[in-house]
Amino acid sequence: DQQVKQNSPSLSVQEGRISILNCDYTNSMFDYFLWYKKYPAEGPTFLISISSIKDKNEDGRFTVFLNKSAKHLSLHIVPSQPGDSAVYFCAAPSYNTDKLIFGTGTRLQVFP
Amino acid sequence: DTGVSQDPRHKITKRGQNVTFRCDPISEHNRLYWYRQTLGQGPEFLTYFQNEAQLEKSRLLSDRFSAERPKGSFSTLEIQRTEQGDSAMYLCASSLFRGGDEKLFFGSGTQLSVL
Repeated sequence: DQQVKQNSPSLSVQEGRISILNCDYTNSMFDYFLWYKKYPAEGPTFLISISSIKDKNEDGRFTVFLNKSAKHLSLHIVPSQPGDSAVYFCAAPSYNTDKLIFGTGTRLQVFP
Repeated sequence: DTGVSQDPRHKITKRGQNVTFRCDPISEHNRLYWYRQTLGQGPEFLTYFQNEAQLEKSRLLSDRFSAERPKGSFSTLEIQRTEQGDSAMYLCASSLFRGGDEKLFFGSGTQLSVL
């Protein structure tokens, strides 16, 4: 079973606060994870990734945390800005092929 | 513009018609992927090429779908005898794969509406 799950379809956060987006996966063989951001009528754009040899990766306002024992990762955005309002997808490469498997996405709304 | 380019951006067609989409990847990228996305879902893998070789096709890709990448550069995705269920955003992505972790760069997609 190779699934990536995002159980929160939407999240609303005030500007300046922290946004936390969650992702769970089913297969412990997954060893690399990516977050993509998607604006309406555009393709997904790469945001940040993490390898399973790490438990944290940071890039500016974006930090991804990986908890392998829980098969869980999260994306933290601090501070959140209105321009961060988009749909965020968690993804992982299939362990036995090279295709990326995506979650269903979380729509983040950052309000002033 | 050196990103992934897709054409057309929008396509409206009648059920039963054939449609063809084009994708131009980032020039030095050796891999090219096709995904489909419907409302409320994440992108679903359809097929991918490494250079001109088609390496994998999803079970989602029925006999009505065919993809080509004849010279290892641009790719086309054709849907024959379209059905209303084919309505979706069709996304193309490319990557420079050298082994190890891979990062896909997506185009803006082609939004297909089948009436």
